[in-house]
Amino acid sequence: DGGITQSPKYLFRKEGQNVTLSCEQNLNHDAMYWYRQDPGQGLRLIYYSQIVNDFQKGDIAEGYSVSREKKESFPLTVTSAQKNPTAFYLCASSIGLGDRAYNEQFFGPGTRLTVL
Amino acid sequence: AQKVTQAQTEISVVEKEDVTLDCVYETRDTTYYLFWYKQPPSGELVFLIRRNSFDEQNEISGRYSWNFQKSTSSFNFTITASQVVDSAVYFCALRHLYYGGSQGNLIFGKGTKLSVKP
Repeated sequence: DGGITQSPKYLFRKEGQNVTLSCEQNLNHDAMYWYRQDPGQGLRLIYYSQIVNDFQKGDIAEGYSVSREKKESFPLTVTSAQKNPTAFYLCASSIGLGDRAYNEQFFGPGTRLTVL
Repeated sequence: AQKVTQAQTEISVVEKEDVTLDCVYETRDTTYYLFWYKQPPSGELVFLIRRNSFDEQNEISGRYSWNFQKSTSSFNFTITASQVVDSAVYFCALRHLYYGGSQGNLIFGKGTKLSVKP
């Protein structure tokens, strides 16, 4: 089945630790995204990538880092510099940008990160 | 500024009632796209519909219908004869082709939580 997988579903982290969230897609999509969702809030964009080996900061990139070494994978690292990392993290992908920028984004099941 | 407002934070209805979720957007662009997503308790966002700024025709898909009015910058979503399985958070989103380098990024409203009681 084609889709987006995120792991783990739940993640607990101690303060001061870095942690990496996995996102994999087998939809052959060019573009991938990371969003953060807080209770009662909409989704806010952290980072996005339009193509392998390239990525751009979103609205709330501070304290996060990403890599895009493969088309299928877009891992997100939450660093100790992120002041309030407890949130629900959603990964998404879309066919591409440019002329196809209107295409919808497909989302993974999310990872709920809790800092202890 | 680009912005999406979903003024209804929470709505509660009884099964079989019709319910309309409001979405108002702001944009300075003439070309844009609007979306609705559903987020059930499991957390994954499910795509419902995409509408471009040049197409103001209303759309119906089963019990779901969407009313797009550029004159009032609104893209409202109606569920007819609601069911318990419709209980979820619904997000409206706006997307541009070109905006400050953030090509194609979605701008989300804060969502409306719909509870359908049996």
